[in-house]
Amino acid sequence: AQTVTQSQPEMSVQEAETVTLSCTYDTSESNYYLFWYKQPPSRQMILVIRQEAYKQQNATENRFSVNFQKAAKSFSLKISDSQLGDTAMYFCALIVFNKFYFGSGTKLNVKP
Amino acid sequence: DAGVIQSPRHEVTEMGQEVTLRCKPISGHDYLFWYRQTMMRGLELLIYFNNNVPIDDSGMPEDRFSAKMPNASFSTLKIQPSEPRDSAVYFCASRRQGGELFFGEGSRLTVL
Repeated sequence: AQTVTQSQPEMSVQEAETVTLSCTYDTSESNYYLFWYKQPPSRQMILVIRQEAYKQQNATENRFSVNFQKAAKSFSLKISDSQLGDTAMYFCALIVFNKFYFGSGTKLNVKP
Repeated sequence: DAGVIQSPRHEVTEMGQEVTLRCKPISGHDYLFWYRQTMMRGLELLIYFNNNVPIDDSGMPEDRFSAKMPNASFSTLKIQPSEPRDSAVYFCASRRQGGELFFGEGSRLTVL
């Protein structure tokens, strides 16, 4: 069975500061992907960043980067220079055999 | 691409009525997923299709729920009869093999 755990229901950060969102997962499969999705108040789910399990190098997309620790089954998201538009729910997702398993989400509030 | 298109965006109905949610996936995507999002249970996978064929419907709550994909550009999720506990946001999403998951804007269902 696959599980995804996000242990931080809600976080706050000041604009321009850095914040890290945690995610741990569990799977017995060796071939999988990990994604972070963002869901702003508009409700639209938007891909933030993806990581293939076979790649050791951590993925980076502009202000967003991940810390992928495969042995620890950890996949945290770091947001640098936080902006007001980053306010949203963030979901960690594990993809195994074409199925997406989502965590419960972390609500991020960026304060001016 | 126009993105994943869902209708209706909002639906309010009375208990016992039939509800049909519709989805048009992105052209060329061969996987289609139906998710349900609630505060209590987060994002739950209901069913997914590959090349119009249902692959895994283990997430469908009960026989009141049914989903079809008669062709590559259209899918429906039907609830008959609806109950108040079915109130949720229903997302349709599509992807190519190995690609990211693209979500529609969701259909918010309220069953009174």
